[in-house]
Amino acid sequence: EPEVTQTPSHQVTQMGQEVILRCVPISNHLYFYWYRQILGQKVEFLVSFYNNEISEKSEIFDDQFSVERPDGSNFTLKIRSTKLEDSAMYFCASAPGPEAFFGQGTRLTVV
Amino acid sequence: AQRVTQPEKLLSVFKGAPVELKCNYSYSGSPELFWYVQYSRQRLQLLLRHISRESIKGFTADLNKGETSFHLKKPFAQEEDSAMYYCALRVPGNTPLVFGKGTRLSVIA
Repeated sequence: EPEVTQTPSHQVTQMGQEVILRCVPISNHLYFYWYRQILGQKVEFLVSFYNNEISEKSEIFDDQFSVERPDGSNFTLKIRSTKLEDSAMYFCASAPGPEAFFGQGTRLTVV
Repeated sequence: AQRVTQPEKLLSVFKGAPVELKCNYSYSGSPELFWYVQYSRQRLQLLLRHISRESIKGFTADLNKGETSFHLKKPFAQEEDSAMYYCALRVPGNTPLVFGKGTRLSVIA
């Protein structure tokens, strides 16, 4: 059964550094999402992507964040100048329609 | 803005006992509602959605528009049901899911 895959599973970075989180969505899906979950808190929506552009973004998704689909298969989330409070689990999801399929997540730790 | 409330952070039940995980939502229209489950060290996966009205792994959930609730129920809990359960809402259309904070279900043998 096809799955959404995310790499790396765990990323440790120093404050102020840039990180790129990678996702390979399920191949025939058209809608892509990034969510994050800070430890002990709920899963929060960051951004959705459709037809090669951002379709919706939350208040969290400010200029520090960007997304790309560089090669038609990968879907990346870039976080510039990371802060301690960016430490969280980041989930990618893809969807053919209403049902979203999630990756296993990348745990980002900013030190 | 839409909101999903799961009032219980942790729910512990004995094996064989009935389970009800509560979910209330705030949205003035007709939302799409989902339950996602996350077993230990696994990804979030869809358990069921209100549109399909099916029973998955013995779980059911009924949308009550009057009470704006979508509680998840199972008559007899099993140890393998222990997991985090998230209720989620979507405004019709290809909009993102809005999640509740989740409830950790612990089924005790």
